[in-house]
Amino acid sequence: GENVGLHLPTLSVQEGDNSIINCAYSNSASDYFIWYKQESGKGPQFIIDIRSNMDKRQGQRVTVLLNKTVKHLSLQIAATQPGDSAVYFCAETITGTASKLTFGTGTRLQVTL
Amino acid sequence: GAVVSQHPSRVICKSGTSVKIECRSLDFQATTMFWYRQFPKQSLMLMATSNEGSKATYEQGVEKDKFLINHASLTLSTLTVTSAHPEDSSFYICSAIGGGHPTYNEQFFGPGTRLTVL
Repeated sequence: GENVGLHLPTLSVQEGDNSIINCAYSNSASDYFIWYKQESGKGPQFIIDIRSNMDKRQGQRVTVLLNKTVKHLSLQIAATQPGDSAVYFCAETITGTASKLTFGTGTRLQVTL
Repeated sequence: GAVVSQHPSRVICKSGTSVKIECRSLDFQATTMFWYRQFPKQSLMLMATSNEGSKATYEQGVEKDKFLINHASLTLSTLTVTSAHPEDSSFYICSAIGGGHPTYNEQFFGPGTRLTVL
């Protein structure tokens, strides 16, 4: 059932600083991970992904780190901008399971000027 | 490319009525579509997986007779919330994957439909 009264953790950062958003995933069998950005009233938007045979992947201003030992993912955003303000979700899946995604609880990123 | 649309974006209905939400892949053929529900300040919860031409697979706890899913073509899936009640008020999001797209595993999400049941 739903977690009534659940509040999203919030990360506040100043514009220009780096942001680090963390996620603990649940299934040790998961082998593909994705970070999504969701703005208010919109659907999730793909940011970056990583497979379990890697521990780091870089994109434009974003880096994802994967620690399989402790089942932990992080998303690093460099030089955070006001447009980065959103809720960020990690998602996990197992290749071959029809791409079913399990989403984490999410973190709200607030960028202050 | 890889655009998914949903219609309507917002709907308000009276308790007891049924509401249909459409999910379309605009520039690719979606072999599989997914339906999610998202309550305020919460994560996305998968409701069901829909494959073209076959019955949807529902997640545990989701009533298949209440949430009717039809994936009649490779570009369209519909979710009908039957006999809606205020507790069904939520943000419904669909996503799609297609074998013709280069990144096979990537789900492309629609913009969501806000359902409010009075």
